[in-house]
Amino acid sequence: GAVVSQHPSWVICKSGTSVKIECRSLDFQATTMFWYRQFPKQSLMLMATSNEGSKATYEQGVEKDKFLINHASLTLSTLTVTSAHPEDSSFYICSASPKYSNQPQHFGDGTRLSIL
Amino acid sequence: KNEVEQSPQNLTAQEGEFITINCSYSVGISALHWLQQHPGGGIVSLFMLSSGKKKHGRLIATINIQEKHSSLHITASHPRDSAVYICAPSRGSNYKLTFGKGTLLTVNP
Repeated sequence: GAVVSQHPSWVICKSGTSVKIECRSLDFQATTMFWYRQFPKQSLMLMATSNEGSKATYEQGVEKDKFLINHASLTLSTLTVTSAHPEDSSFYICSASPKYSNQPQHFGDGTRLSIL
Repeated sequence: KNEVEQSPQNLTAQEGEFITINCSYSVGISALHWLQQHPGGGIVSLFMLSSGKKKHGRLIATINIQEKHSSLHITASHPRDSAVYICAPSRGSNYKLTFGKGTLLTVNP
């Protein structure tokens, strides 16, 4: 079945570092990928919609200059947390659905980001 | 008022019991997803449905579009079913999801 691969699964880094998270659709093309964030014991929150070949659409309250999204191909979207601070520590997860299909979205395994 | 309301928030059951989790939503949708999130964080899409009923193994999902209500049922529950179950309506498979707060299910042996 369709698989979405997310990398890395765990990151620990110092405050001020920029961190890049990759989301790949392994066996299908995805014109749209979604990036979510989840704080402990809270529900998933959509951060942005990543559109292949165009700018991402950010949800209200999400800083586009802080969370850079690049969707350069039909199988890869990246989220870069720039100048990360401890308050950016969270669980980040992406999802994608095959292009021109009515299949459910497939989720990556998530990235647990810890900023010291 | 939240756009998606799930109940119950927490549910503890004994192995073998029949489980029902309910979801009511106020947003206009064309599809509703049921997701399962395990303690490690990984999310599995269980169902995407837009009408009627779907069954996969011991899991059954139903939706009533007119009443804006969906239910997830687990028959013969097992400890490995312990997870957070999340209801997430959307406008379709390539549209963003709106998430409920989830139902934490614990099935004891």
